[in-house]
Amino acid sequence: DIQMTQSPSALSASVGDRVIITCRASQNIGSYLNWYQQKPGKAPKLLIYAASSLESGVPLRFSGSGSGTGFTLTISSLQSEDLATYYCQQTKGALTWTFGQGTKVEIK
Amino acid sequence: EMQLVESGGTWVQPGGSLRLSCAASGFTFGNYWMTWVRQAPGKGLEWVANIKQDGIEIYYADSVKGRFTISRDNAKNSVDLQMNSLRVDDTAVYYCGRISYRQLPQIDYWGQGTLVTVSS
Repeated sequence: DIQMTQSPSALSASVGDRVIITCRASQNIGSYLNWYQQKPGKAPKLLIYAASSLESGVPLRFSGSGSGTGFTLTISSLQSEDLATYYCQQTKGALTWTFGQGTKVEIK
Repeated sequence: EMQLVESGGTWVQPGGSLRLSCAASGFTFGNYWMTWVRQAPGKGLEWVANIKQDGIEIYYADSVKGRFTISRDNAKNSVDLQMNSLRVDDTAVYYCGRISYRQLPQIDYWGQGTLVTVSS
């Protein structure tokens, strides 16, 4: 099975800061990588698909990059409403999908 | 408006069975793969199962294989998850989701979730 490892597990940043979250796959997954945002008590929401494509309606401060085994989610200027846990997900494995363990973003 | 509404979550004893349902509206249900994802209390997301439009091609996580069965009824716009031999570690919020295929697969819509508690 393909394992996904996110780092850091949690971070605290100030409004306006640039935030970078990393996701590593245990094997080459090409661009089969999605990012989701989950706010407290809510269902997850798709932010980025196919590693770098921004979902409709998602603010432009969110961006994704990478391919193969290394990926990043960048928030260019953190806003208070970005308080959430962020998950990467690989969909390369047709038989099994996996999520990263999540990165909790807190606002200083 | 696109909606996914899960139901059926409740408390059940270990070894018991439960059937979850997800009612879809606002899109052509029969055109999409569907998925179930779960989240144990305070934990991360865990993919559970996928089902193709035809209801024949199906995939499961190893943790539920042989115990859970995903099915769908395209006439009723619904996808179900039959859960048997439930264990304490199956306790979670269960989300159904729609899988879209823009370039590559992604879960573009999620329901609000239904809580399953397995406890004696």
